[in-house]
Amino acid sequence: NAGVTQTPKFRILKIGQSMTLQCAQDMNHNYMYWYRQDPGMGLKLIYYSVGAGITDKGEVPNGYNVSRSTTEDFPLRLELAAPSQTSVYFCASRKRGGGGSYNEQFFGPGTRLTVL
Amino acid sequence: SQELEQSPQSLIVQEGKNLTINCTSSKTLYGLYWYKQKYGEGLIFLMMLQKGGEEKSHEKITAKLDEKKQQSSLHITASQPSHAGIYLCGADVTGNQFYFGTGTSLTVIP
Repeated sequence: NAGVTQTPKFRILKIGQSMTLQCAQDMNHNYMYWYRQDPGMGLKLIYYSVGAGITDKGEVPNGYNVSRSTTEDFPLRLELAAPSQTSVYFCASRKRGGGGSYNEQFFGPGTRLTVL
Repeated sequence: SQELEQSPQSLIVQEGKNLTINCTSSKTLYGLYWYKQKYGEGLIFLMMLQKGGEEKSHEKITAKLDEKKQQSSLHITASQPSHAGIYLCGADVTGNQFYFGTGTSLTVIP
C-alpha cells in the first residue's frame, strides 16, 4: 500500500493564481481531512469528508474548496491565492470506527506552498 | 480555536533525562492521539487513548489520559537524540471534527 499520497511536494504561486492540491489514499478509508500547518503552529483543519459525496468545513475553510467524488481522492482547490495561504498542507485519512470507537489518522508527506 | 492547549511549547533536555508534555482540553476528549513530527516531514502516529484512566507505553514513551478525559500527558524516559522533534496531541472533540494542539518542540542534547 502507498498509504496517503500528496502532489505536488512544493509549489510557488503568484497572488491571484489558482491551483489544486491532490490527495489520494489506497486504504479504503471513509474519512479524509485537509489541514494546514503554519510555522511554529499546530495543524488547523480546513475541510473534511466522511465519505464520497460528503464534505464539511473545518476551522479555517475560507479561500478553499474541496470535492470528494470517489473514496480514494480528496483534492483541495485554492482559488485566488493570497500570501496568507503560504503554509504546509497535509492530507490525512482514517477508517471509520464503530460502536463509539475511533481510529488514528494516517498522514501524507505534505505540500509546501508559497504565495508571492 | 484553543480546543487543545499543549505545554510546554518547547523543551531542551540533556540526553538521558526524563520529560513530560501535557495536553489539556476544556471539553471531553472522545479520542486522544499523540503524533510526532520530524522537522519538515509528515506526522507519525505514536499512541491513541480513549478510556478515562487509560495508559499506554511503547518503548520509552508512556501516554496517559486522565479519568475525566480532559487531560493527557506524554512521558519520555531516558531521552535520546532520536526523540527530538515536534510532539502534537490531537483529539476528537465534537462531531466529526478533529483538533490539534500547538505542538511541543523537543531538543535532546547529546
